Parts: sequence; structure tokens; C-alpha cells
Amino acid sequence: GAGVSQTPSNKVTEKGKYVELRCDPISGHTALYWYRQSLGQGPEFLIYFQGTGAADDSGLPNDRFFAVRPEGSVSTLKIQRTERGDSAVYLCASSPAGSDNEQFFGPGTRLTVL
Amino acid sequence: KQEVTQIPAALSVPEGENLVLNCSFTDSAIYNLQWFRQDPGKGLTSLLLIQSSQREQTSGRLNASLDKSSGRSTLYIAASQPGDSATYLCAVLIYQLIWGAGTKLIIKP
Repeated sequence: GAGVSQTPSNKVTEKGKYVELRCDPISGHTALYWYRQSLGQGPEFLIYFQGTGAADDSGLPNDRFFAVRPEGSVSTLKIQRTERGDSAVYLCASSPAGSDNEQFFGPGTRLTVL
Repeated sequence: KQEVTQIPAALSVPEGENLVLNCSFTDSAIYNLQWFRQDPGKGLTSLLLIQSSQREQTSGRLNASLDKSSGRSTLYIAASQPGDSATYLCAVLIYQLIWGAGTKLIIKP
């Protein structure tokens, strides 16, 4: 079956602009995760959804970052007033019901803020 | 707070050698531990997942072990090949994944 997909694969934007990154999880997976990976580092947790609700958003760095999952499937990560430090690869993962299941990753979106 | 450390940060070995990558974590309360491979500019490829109740997993030339009591995991790669060159990441699941910074592996032909 289809895996996790993310769009766009690459996004270049200017400082101060607004961006949206999309994640399509594996069908039927109720848990969805967003991670951010900066160059030369391991990924860092941003937010976790169980169904439509954000079960844990403690990893979001500040209030410029926001994520939604209105129908419990597709999720959108939204970044307002982008800064150069937001440049990173944004990874999405999904897993079946239950927070102790294996997570399956999408290919990521590479965001570059000029 | 759970922290994951990978040593070494980089490793370069000749083709054909067997090698071991190390991963340590500070809190043994994990659901599982996973090893990933990441090629430059590419996404993550899951290599092996070890549940907290397991001691090791094997896939082809790869063998991963888990010792929860000591907070350690190793990834053993047998008969290394140039195609094994990549960054190897370990991560522990506490519902979110907590990641190490990775070991950059170069296999010289």
C-alpha cells in the first residue's frame, strides 16, 4: 500500500513569509507525528496527533508554528513569519492506534528560508 | 529527560571490515529502539526495530542488540560494502521518538 507522503518535497521562501507543509499518512493510521531535522543533527519532535487532536505539542519551538489535522487524516504544519533558522527538513510519520507502535516516515520537506 | 547519544560521530573503514556502531540512552523506560539509515539529502530508511522485551534483531548483514538495563544498543554491520556509506541514526520510542545525532559512516573501496 501507499506509504506516508509529504508535499512539497522542497520549499524555498523568503524571510517573513508564511508556509504550509502537508503530510498524508498511511490510511487507517490514527497517530501522526511531525519532526524537524536540522543539518548534521538527529530529528527533533515537534507535535503528535491522536486522531484530530494534538496530544502533545510541546516540541513546537514558538507560536509561529502551528499544525492541524481537521479530519484525522491529512495534517498541515503552518509556519508564520518564517526565519532563516527555520530552514530544516520537516519529517512526518504515522503509526497505527497506540503510541507504542512503530512509526513510518515520509520522505520529508526540505524548507529553505532565504 | 531521555537523551540519546551515538558514538562515534563519524567512522571511516576499509571495505570488508566488520564494524559496530554504538547508541546509548539515559532512561530505560522505552517501548522500542529503532535504527535508521539516512543517505545525503534523502529521507529515513528503517533498518531494524527492537521491542523493549527483545534482546536483538537481525536483517541480512545487520544485527542490532538492546540492553535496556545498561541503556545501550549496538548495530553490527558484517562485511561492510561501499554502499553501506550513510548516516546511521538510532531512536528510542517513549511515544515520541528521541533521536541520537547519528554516526556518519564511510566505507572505503
